Amino acid sequence: DGGITQSPKYLFRKEGQNVTLSCEQNLNHDAMYWYRQDPGQGLRLIYYSQIVNDFQKGDIAEGYSVSREKKESFPLTVTSAQKNPTAFYLCASSIGITREQYFGPGTRLTVT
Amino acid sequence: DAKTTQPNSMESNEEEPVHLPCNHSTISGTDYIHWYRQLPSQGPEYVIHGLTSNVNNRMASLAIAEDRKSSTLILHRATLRDAAVYYCILSPLTTSGTYKYIFGTGTRLKVLA
Repeated sequence: DGGITQSPKYLFRKEGQNVTLSCEQNLNHDAMYWYRQDPGQGLRLIYYSQIVNDFQKGDIAEGYSVSREKKESFPLTVTSAQKNPTAFYLCASSIGITREQYFGPGTRLTVT
Repeated sequence: DAKTTQPNSMESNEEEPVHLPCNHSTISGTDYIHWYRQLPSQGPEYVIHGLTSNVNNRMASLAIAEDRKSSTLILHRATLRDAAVYYCILSPLTTSGTYKYIFGTGTRLKVLA
């Protein structure tokens, strides 16, 4: 079955450590996105990538980094510079010229 | 960026129609209107989208006002599985040629048995 996978579902880290969240899709979609969701809030865009080896900052990119070396993969690194990293992180993808986005199941990151 | 305004919460009885409103008074001519829903601790699920005309699919209907400043998602017969947070989203075209979603806080729909 085609879809988006995110791993792990839950992730715990100590403050000051970098952590990388995985996002893989087998939908052959060109565009991929990372969102952050805080309790009771909507999603906020962190980074997005339209094609391999290219990505753009979203609305809240500070403290995060991404790479897009393969079409299928778009990992997100939460660096120690991110002041409030505890959140629910969602990855999504879409066919480049359409606007419908498909979301993964999310990774809940807790930093203590 | 254009924003959307939705009621924080709504209730409906099971098997009755539900009309979820959304205001987007600053929408631009190229912004599509999307609706997604999200269950707790899950990723959002696509429901429907449209530009100017009303749209129907197997999940719902989307009614768009003539001036496009508001829209309504219609669930024809609510079931308990429809209980979720519903997001009305605009998708402006970015300078890099892709589309970004602008999420609001959504409407939490409670369905009563």
